[in-house]
Amino acid sequence: DGGITQSPKYLFRKEGQNVTLSCEQNLNHDAMYWYRQDPGQGLRLIYYSQIVNDFQKGDIAEGYSVSREKKESFPLTVTSAQKNPTAFYLCASSIEPGAYEQYFGPGTRLTVT
Amino acid sequence: GDSVTQMEGPVTLSEEAFLTINCTYTATGYPSLFWYVQYPGEGLQLLLKATKADDKGSNKGFEATYRKETTSFHLEKGSVQVSDSAVYFCAQGGSTLGRLYFGRGTQLTVWP
Repeated sequence: DGGITQSPKYLFRKEGQNVTLSCEQNLNHDAMYWYRQDPGQGLRLIYYSQIVNDFQKGDIAEGYSVSREKKESFPLTVTSAQKNPTAFYLCASSIEPGAYEQYFGPGTRLTVT
Repeated sequence: GDSVTQMEGPVTLSEEAFLTINCTYTATGYPSLFWYVQYPGEGLQLLLKATKADDKGSNKGFEATYRKETTSFHLEKGSVQVSDSAVYFCAQGGSTLGRLYFGRGTQLTVWP
């Protein structure tokens, strides 16, 4: 089955530690996205990548970093500089650069204490 | 700039009731419009879409019509079921290619 995999489903970290969230897709999609979801705030774009080895900041990139070394993978690192990292993180992909229809993974819930 | 406003929830209905969730957008031109649904603890699933004025998107009994004159894309269903309980997000394609802008989401709860 084709789709987007995010692992793990739940992640717990101590404050001050960096943590990397995994996102893998086997849809052969060119573009990938990372969103953060907080209660009552909808989805906010963190980073996106239209092609391999290229990515752009979204609306809330501070305290986050990404890489796009392979077409199927787009890991997100939440650094210790992110002031309020506890949230639900969603990865998405779209078939080609500029396409608006996005397909989402199941999400990772990160809790930092 | 690009933005989406959707009615705040929560919305609580009895089974077989009629559902409307309002959504309006702000954009230049004719953005693509989407409704996504999120079940508890899961990612978003595309429910329906419309890409030009007067288009009607439909899926699983849900419908939404792209209204350019009112910049709206309201979601409707004639008879909701308990299984429709979820959070619904309206989204529009932005002026930057590939970017989607989401509303804040509307929580729907359907009681038997």
